[in-house]
Amino acid sequence: QQQVKQSPQSLIVQKGGIPIINCAYENTAFDYFPWYQQFPGKGPALLIAIRPDVSEKKEGRFTISFNKSAKQFSLHIMDSQPGDSATYFCAASIGTSGSRLTFGEGTQLTVNP
Amino acid sequence: ETGVTQTPRHLVMGMTNKKSLKCEQHLGHNAMYWYKQSAKKPLELMFVYSLEERVENNSVPSRFSPECPNSSHLFLHLHTLQPEDSALYLCASSQGQGAEEAFFGQGTRLTVV
Repeated sequence: QQQVKQSPQSLIVQKGGIPIINCAYENTAFDYFPWYQQFPGKGPALLIAIRPDVSEKKEGRFTISFNKSAKQFSLHIMDSQPGDSATYFCAASIGTSGSRLTFGEGTQLTVNP
Repeated sequence: ETGVTQTPRHLVMGMTNKKSLKCEQHLGHNAMYWYKQSAKKPLELMFVYSLEERVENNSVPSRFSPECPNSSHLFLHLHTLQPEDSALYLCASSQGQGAEEAFFGQGTRLTVV
């Protein structure tokens, strides 16, 4: 049973574009939603996270939009750069167990120069 | 290297072999995790250790046997694996199970032949 569904599986944009990655969850008990970024040969690293008491969170060029009623959240990357090319994972967890994560399938992002 | 270190980086083993994966964290954390990352599948949480006690085993087959001798080290002992066990095995750590961020190692790429 896939509790966090992520799309698209892969995404190619030009430099300066705004890639958007979407995730949907089923378990209404989830209340912590991080995004992890993984470069080839590296482990995932926390990029940005949101809790459901807010609808949007920005950190630099990265923005999470959260829709609690639809049980969906998305990552937007403003002014994308070739260095943003990586695999992005959304995740969710319950309560304060932010490290017991249920992950989405991942999106492989390529930003062309 | 700082953070979370995993060895070996790559491992090829036969189905009758016994091998071990090692993880060491230099962050002073007291919770450690094993995740499995298979191609085109979400990361799967396998085991959770908190203060050197196993607190979660997500229905992982007994051919995978974790060991946490102290809060800085985590092992995954492997025996009689199957080809479908080939994957990237990621170790992570956090400051308590309730921490919001998990710090991942670079993973061990395991191939079972």
